[in-house]
Amino acid sequence: GAGVSQSPSNKVTEKGKDVELRCDPISGHTALYWYRQRLGQGLEFLIYFQGNSAPDKSGLPSDRFSAERTGESVSTLTIQRTQQEDSAVYLCASSSPRGGGADTQYFGPGTRLTVL
Amino acid sequence: GDSVTQMEGPVTLSEEAFLTINCTYTATGYPSLFWYVQYPGEGLQLLLKATKADDKGSNKGFEATYRKETTSFHLEKGSVQVSDSAVYFCALAGGFKTIFGAGTRLFVKA
Repeated sequence: GAGVSQSPSNKVTEKGKDVELRCDPISGHTALYWYRQRLGQGLEFLIYFQGNSAPDKSGLPSDRFSAERTGESVSTLTIQRTQQEDSAVYLCASSSPRGGGADTQYFGPGTRLTVL
Repeated sequence: GDSVTQMEGPVTLSEEAFLTINCTYTATGYPSLFWYVQYPGEGLQLLLKATKADDKGSNKGFEATYRKETTSFHLEKGSVQVSDSAVYFCALAGGFKTIFGAGTRLFVKA
C-alpha cells in the first residue's frame, strides 16, 4: 500500500476487556515495530518483528501484551484485561533494513486507546 | 545501553527566529542518527538523517550535523515559520533497534 495503516484509529474500552490493534505495513518492508506513546511523552518501544519472528520482545510491559505477525505483513497487538494505564496511542512503523541494520522507519497514524 | 537526550520543551519562538534543538546521544558502535517530526494530528515522519560522522542531514530548511566528538546531533533552522510548530524527536539506530528521545515541542508565533 501507499503507507502504513492502522486500525482502529480510536478504541474506547472498559477496564478488564481485551483489545486487538492491527497494523498493515508498507508492502515489502520486512521489519515492523510497535511503540506506545503516552500523552505528552516520547515513544516507548514495545516489540520488533523481522519477517514473522520477534527477536526482541523486551519492551512489552507485561504478560498481558502480546503481538504476532503473519505472512510477513499484517501484525496484531493484543492487550488482555486492559487497565487504565494502558491508555495511550499505539504506533506501528515499518522499515526495509539494508545490510541487517536499522533504516528509516515509516509510521502509521496510530491507534488511540482509551481504557475507562 | 544506548540512549538519546534532547532538550526539554516547550520551545516558543516568533516567526523568522533561529531555532536550535539540542540532542546528544550515548551509543556503542556507529549508529545512524535521525530527526523525526510529528505535526499536530499527524503521524511521525522522518525529517532528516545522517549515517556517519560529519554527515549533514537537511530537509525543509532544517539541518543537523553528526558530531562524533561531542556525540551530538543538534537540529537547526535559520528562520522558523508557524507551520514548523510540531514535536521533534531525535533518534539513533544501531542494529535493528531505534531509540527515540522524549521529544521537544515547538510553538512558533506569528
